[in-house]
Formats: sequence, C-alpha cells, structure tokens
Amino acid sequence: QVQLVESGGGVVQPGKSLRVSCEASGFAFSSYGMHWLRQAPGKGLEWVSVIEYDGSNKYYADSVKGRFTISRDNYKNILYLQMHSLRAEDTAVYYCARGFSTSSEFDSWGQGTLVTVSS
Amino acid sequence: SDVLTQPPSVSVAPGETARITCGGNDLGSKSVHWYQQRPGQAPVLVISYDRDRPSGIPERFSGSKSGNTATLTISRVEAGDEADYYCQVWVVGSDHSYVFGTGTQVTVL
Repeated sequence: QVQLVESGGGVVQPGKSLRVSCEASGFAFSSYGMHWLRQAPGKGLEWVSVIEYDGSNKYYADSVKGRFTISRDNYKNILYLQMHSLRAEDTAVYYCARGFSTSSEFDSWGQGTLVTVSS
Repeated sequence: SDVLTQPPSVSVAPGETARITCGGNDLGSKSVHWYQQRPGQAPVLVISYDRDRPSGIPERFSGSKSGNTATLTISRVEAGDEADYYCQVWVVGSDHSYVFGTGTQVTVL
C-alpha cells in the first residue's frame, strides 16, 4: 500500500538551513504530484509547496517563497524540501502528501517530521 | 485571500449525527475535500470532490454542498470519530493555492 515516510527534522537555529525528505513506496511515484504541508504546534494545516510528477513545475506558498525549494528524485522515489533562512514561525510538523495532479486532493499523507527553529 | 470558515467545535453523543460546515466565497464553484486528523496522527482524506468517499472510509461519512457552504456529515457517531476535521479547496489562478478551513474539533460526549 501507499507509504510516505518523512525524515530529516530536528532543531535548527534561526537563519540556518535544513533539508527534510520523504521516501515513497507502494505506488508509481513518478506519476504523481507531491506536496509538502505543515502544521505549527496547536494550529491548523498549511500548504507549503507542490511539485508536478516530472518536476517540471513547482509552486510555493507566499510564506516560504524564495526561502524553500522543493525537488524530487524519481529514480530513488524521494521528495525533498530544502529550507533556508529559517524563522521561528517555520516551526511545525512537516508532512509530505500525494496528489494525482496539482489540482487534486491530498489522498495519502506521511506521518510527519518535526522542525523546530530555536536558538 | 480565500478564507474557509468552520465552527471551532461540535459536540455529539454516540450514535447521533454530527454536521460540520465549511463556508467560503465562491465555494459553489470549487471542489471541497475533507480531512480527519485524530490526536497525534497525520490527516486522512475522508471526502473528496464534495461528496466522494475514498476506499476504506465508512459509509457513515458523507459530504454535500449548497451554495457557498459545504457540509461533512458523520452519522451514527462513534468514539473513534473524535478528531479535528478540515475542509480544503484548490484555488485556481496564476499561482497555485491550496486553502484549508479553520478546523473543527469534534467531541464525542
């Protein structure tokens, strides 16, 4: 069955960088759009970024545009989110999620990885 | 920017029906998806495209929409339905935007 496993979270100082990963299995990874979403402690869900199935198009929320970069390796079935210039307000659980196309629902989610930005 | 408004909380007795609303501008022209998030867990899709139920989701979960208000209905509520529920839409435009509702905490009495 579909499995998405995030990794790479941790504690990082403000202004520093961090890369989180999402390893996919159980489906044709290269045929699906993939998203990153996040949830700050005690808050609601926020969409962060999406990448089309072949990596040809990428979109970002205004809150992370210019600081975060989404990418994918369709040979290794891994999704990445490179985060730069991290701020305290980026502290959240980061989820990867699958969407057949960029306009479709998030039909499978990983368990999330916690990123804490703190000095 | 698009805002999806949900009631902060809904309380319901076991066996009764819970209804969670989601309101927003031009919701009638958008597809609404619903997610369940149990405490400490990742979200799970329970309704897609206003009323479609994914495989594995109980028939007790149903979705509907009228005008600019979408509704998630949980019939014969069970203790395991206690969770946060979020509606979500995709806003088409020059830049992709995925908007979530404010979330509703369902408490089973």
